[in-house]
Amino acid sequence: DAKTTQPNSMESNEEEPVHLPCNHSTISGTDYIHWYRQLPSQGPEYVIHGLTSNVNNRMASLAIAEDRKSSTLILHRATLRDAAVYYCTSTSGTYKYIFGTGTRLKVLA
Amino acid sequence: EAQVTQNPRYLITVTGKKLTVTCSQNMNHEYMSWYRQDPGLGLRQIYYSMNVEVTDKGDVPEGYKVSRKEKRNFPLILESPSPNQTSLYFCASSPGDRTYQPQHFGDGTRLSIL
Repeated sequence: DAKTTQPNSMESNEEEPVHLPCNHSTISGTDYIHWYRQLPSQGPEYVIHGLTSNVNNRMASLAIAEDRKSSTLILHRATLRDAAVYYCTSTSGTYKYIFGTGTRLKVLA
Repeated sequence: EAQVTQNPRYLITVTGKKLTVTCSQNMNHEYMSWYRQDPGLGLRQIYYSMNVEVTDKGDVPEGYKVSRKEKRNFPLILESPSPNQTSLYFCASSPGDRTYQPQHFGDGTRLSIL
């Protein structure tokens, strides 16, 4: 079965970069990697996605390992509003999504 | 406003009493999906639908049914709810023709089965 693993929690100081890791141990060559974040009492919201190369958007950057077995979500300057649970996910060959258990990010003022 | 709407947002009910959680999207998306979220387990996919009349099992389909008679609606049915189905449920949709397209999630439905 497809498996996606993340650390349970991480801490960062405000205004510093944060690197959130994810292992995609069973990902296949055509499966996209997605990241979502979830604020308290809300549904997950999309952050970024990629296939093979690194990606940037206004919210974050995504670094994907050459073998695609791991990815890292990079928040360049953490703010208090970035405190959330971050999920990585990939499809399992089709449109069946396998989510990690999420990393709770705490941002210290 | 583009959105995924779930109803009800909260429900407390008893074991064995059939219930339906509705999900509707106004973005003309082909793909819709249901997830449950439990502490320490993250999001687990229950069922998904690629289009009208096309549904498939996710990782945890036992005890649930779905139907997709119209593109915009994807109800989740619990025929005989049990306490282990107490959870936070999310419906999501995406355009569907490419797996890189992000999913849009509803605000969740918290179910308590006593």
